[in-house]
Amino acid sequence: SQQGEEDPQALSIQEGENATMNCSYKTSINNLQWYRQNSGRGLVHLILIRSNEREKHSGRLRVTLDTSKKSSSLLITASRAADTASYFCATDSLGAQKLVFGQGTRLTINP
Amino acid sequence: NAGVTQTPKFRVLKTGQSMTLLCAQDMNHEYMYWYRQDPGMGLRLIHYSVGEGTTAKGEVPDGYNVSRLKKQNFLLGLESAAPSQTSVYFCASRSLAGSDTQYFGPGTRLTVL
Repeated sequence: SQQGEEDPQALSIQEGENATMNCSYKTSINNLQWYRQNSGRGLVHLILIRSNEREKHSGRLRVTLDTSKKSSSLLITASRAADTASYFCATDSLGAQKLVFGQGTRLTINP
Repeated sequence: NAGVTQTPKFRVLKTGQSMTLLCAQDMNHEYMYWYRQDPGMGLRLIHYSVGEGTTAKGEVPDGYNVSRLKKQNFLLGLESAAPSQTSVYFCASRSLAGSDTQYFGPGTRLTVL
């Protein structure tokens, strides 16, 4: 069974707007990662946040982690058409040596 | 530096046929993984390896076998393909040291008729 549940499953916004995606998980984690997948391509790592971190930034990306609620959010600011993709959260439990992926959010940026 | 490569990119099989998918990485990573991705299901882990000569089962291992005879290669075998194995298969690798990030190949689209 998959650890992560992502919300929404699909999101469509206008270029320039901000996009927020949420991820909830079930068990204790070592870190949580976000990946992007363009249509027909492999996944690309975006950002990693460790269990002792609450917020992390990378360019236009902002990730938050609330371990008490077992949830994370990914914010993409000032969206661009090139941000159109599917976004997946993945959790890494301590000692597990593997990731468990959510089902993803399909983001569409309309010009 | 090619990263993670997968061979082949596309394949069509008939039920009962066998095939092997090859994953190769040139980053000297210790860990390698095979996932399958079905519509609406995200990625599910089939098998993984934490080092040359070692393999372990993931979430959906039935119907698949793997081998890691060389550090840079991870093979996924289907002995008797079934239509339920129609999927897109992704390989990934990760360094033992470093940031726990996985690096993905471009995928293999497999159709079993």
